[in-house]
Amino acid sequence: AQTVTQSQPEMSVQEAETVTLSCTYDTSENNYYLFWYKQPPSRQMILVIRQEAYKQQNATENRFSVNFQKAAKSFSLKISDSQLGDTAMYFCAFMKLTGGSNYKLTFGKGTLLTVNP
Amino acid sequence: NAGVTQTPKFQVLKTGQSMTLQCAQDMNHEYMSWYRQDPGMGLRLIHYSVGAGITDQGEVPNGYNVSRSTTEDFPLRLLSAAPSQTSVYFCASRRSSYNEQFFGPGTRLTVL
Repeated sequence: AQTVTQSQPEMSVQEAETVTLSCTYDTSENNYYLFWYKQPPSRQMILVIRQEAYKQQNATENRFSVNFQKAAKSFSLKISDSQLGDTAMYFCAFMKLTGGSNYKLTFGKGTLLTVNP
Repeated sequence: NAGVTQTPKFQVLKTGQSMTLQCAQDMNHEYMSWYRQDPGMGLRLIHYSVGAGITDQGEVPNGYNVSRSTTEDFPLRLLSAAPSQTSVYFCASRRSSYNEQFFGPGTRLTVL
């Protein structure tokens, strides 16, 4: 079974600064996707970024980028130029692509990020 | 497109009562799932479906039933509510294994 670990329950950052959220995972699979989801106070789950394990290049989406280290099973999220609207709970998630059980996302427990003015 | 819709947004039940959480999507997605979110636990899969007429259990299925008679709808039934089922419930859908998963807005359920 896959596990996803987010070791930082809470983090804070000043507006306009950069912050990195950590995520590690445990799997014996070679083909999988990794995701970062954002959950603001509205409770809506929003996909921030996705990384395919077969791609060596790190995914980027505007101010959001990842550092994907496949051998180390690490998948950190970097938020540049933090904005007040980035305040949210962030979840790291894993999805395998082969064999059975490729139907579900396995989520970490989340990191609550607060951006301070 | 409305995306993934869930009703109700909030619900309070007494122990032993039954109810159905509704979920619908208008994106013609094959895959649909139900998750529960509890503080400090992330999201955990309750049940999922890979198409109309096909459902299976996730990590925490006890106390819940599902059915998938149409592609659009995936209701979650609580047979006899217990305080341990107090949680926020999310429905999600995606086109296939390889596609982005879309979440509904969630239902906050309290069981007294």
